[in-house]
Amino acid sequence: GNSVTQMEGPVTLSEEAFLTINCTYTATGYPSLFWYVQYPGEGLQLLLKATKADDKGSNKGFEATYRKETTSFHLEKGSVQVSDSAVYFCARHNTGFQKLVFGTGTRLLVSP
Amino acid sequence: GAVVSQHPSRVICKSGTSVKIECRSLDFQATTMFWYRQFPKQSLMLMATSNEGSKATYEQGVEKDKFLINHASLTLSTLTVTSAHPEDSSFYICSANFGQGNTEAFFGQGTRLTVV
Repeated sequence: GNSVTQMEGPVTLSEEAFLTINCTYTATGYPSLFWYVQYPGEGLQLLLKATKADDKGSNKGFEATYRKETTSFHLEKGSVQVSDSAVYFCARHNTGFQKLVFGTGTRLLVSP
Repeated sequence: GAVVSQHPSRVICKSGTSVKIECRSLDFQATTMFWYRQFPKQSLMLMATSNEGSKATYEQGVEKDKFLINHASLTLSTLTVTSAHPEDSSFYICSANFGQGNTEAFFGQGTRLTVV
């Protein structure tokens, strides 16, 4: 079936450390892929997206590349800040279906 | 980008009462909205797809008589939790699709429901 698997958290890092949050997907067809961020007590905000293989989504220093050969969409940031502390959700949908399927979320904690 | 507003952000109600949560698309028309439930430290669970002018489509295991959804206009969907019980306490989030192909989701701020 269609699903999204992401690494369990929490991920605890010091400020300016390198971040990777792994995400893999299973799907038929060619889904669009997304990373959403949720700050405490808030809804979800779209962080970045990629709609086809080899696309790289980027925003606020975060990047993720749509890898069809490994069915992955890992989130990376070269230097995290305390303000990046949040829960990050990987998600996918298939064109035409409009529904989103979310991973379990990964909590990131960045300390000064 | 498109804005989705959800109200209230926080509500406390007594067991047995009903609570209505509103989801509005502020600067676009949304024929389809989605309602999610999020348990503490867990992912979002899609509850139902709200379709303007027709009945909502509920996901398996979601009680349609418990969670009433009304999508009476192109900018408003409501979720009513009927006869609420403490186990209904949760974070409820709505989203609406916008953009090319109507496939980009924009989320409301969420509603924290506490049933006492």
